[in-house]
Amino acid sequence: DIQMTQSPSSLSASVGDRVTITCRTSQRIGTYLNWYQQKPGRAPKLLISAASSLRSGVPSRFSASGSETHFILTISSLQPEDFATYYCQQCYLTPFTFGGGTKVEVK
Amino acid sequence: RLQESGPGLVKPSETLSLTCTVSGGSVKNDYWSWIRQSPEKGLEWIGYMYSTGSANYNPSLRGRVTMSVDTSKNQFSLKMSSVTAADTAVYYCARREIESSKDQNWFDPWGQGTLVTVSS
Repeated sequence: DIQMTQSPSSLSASVGDRVTITCRTSQRIGTYLNWYQQKPGRAPKLLISAASSLRSGVPSRFSASGSETHFILTISSLQPEDFATYYCQQCYLTPFTFGGGTKVEVK
Repeated sequence: RLQESGPGLVKPSETLSLTCTVSGGSVKNDYWSWIRQSPEKGLEWIGYMYSTGSANYNPSLRGRVTMSVDTSKNQFSLKMSSVTAADTAVYYCARREIESSKDQNWFDPWGQGTLVTVSS
């Protein structure tokens, strides 16, 4: 199975801060990586597909980059509604696997 | 657009059965998935199946999983046998969307999730 390692596991930030989350994979996956946002009691929501494609309706303050084994999700200016947990997921090989999540908390 | 349903409590060694109802679209000609989430294991992909019946399951579930699609009811289902406490989780159904040109794929949308507890 492809192992997914997210860092940090949690971070504290303030509104307006720039936030960066990293996802590393145990093998090369090209750009077969997705990012999801999950708020408490809710299902994950797709933010980014194919490593860097912003999904329709997702604010442009979200961006992502990377390929092969190193991927980054950036929130350029954190907004109150962005406090949540973020997950990466590889869709290159089954079994599809998810990162352990990065919880973005209020500082 | 996706809604899970089924028992919230299942006894150990019994079979967990969940159904996902699709509204605002058709289950035909598409891929449908089940994913679960627990504090211990995080998000775990269970498997997916195509509307015609071909399926791909997570080997970690050791043959305990069966998925099916009912096009007449616009639903798809999950059965997991011989459950233990380790199967306690929130279970989500989701559409697996594929970009055919490059085989990129993702899960979207997701159902709201349903908590299944395995306990006697």
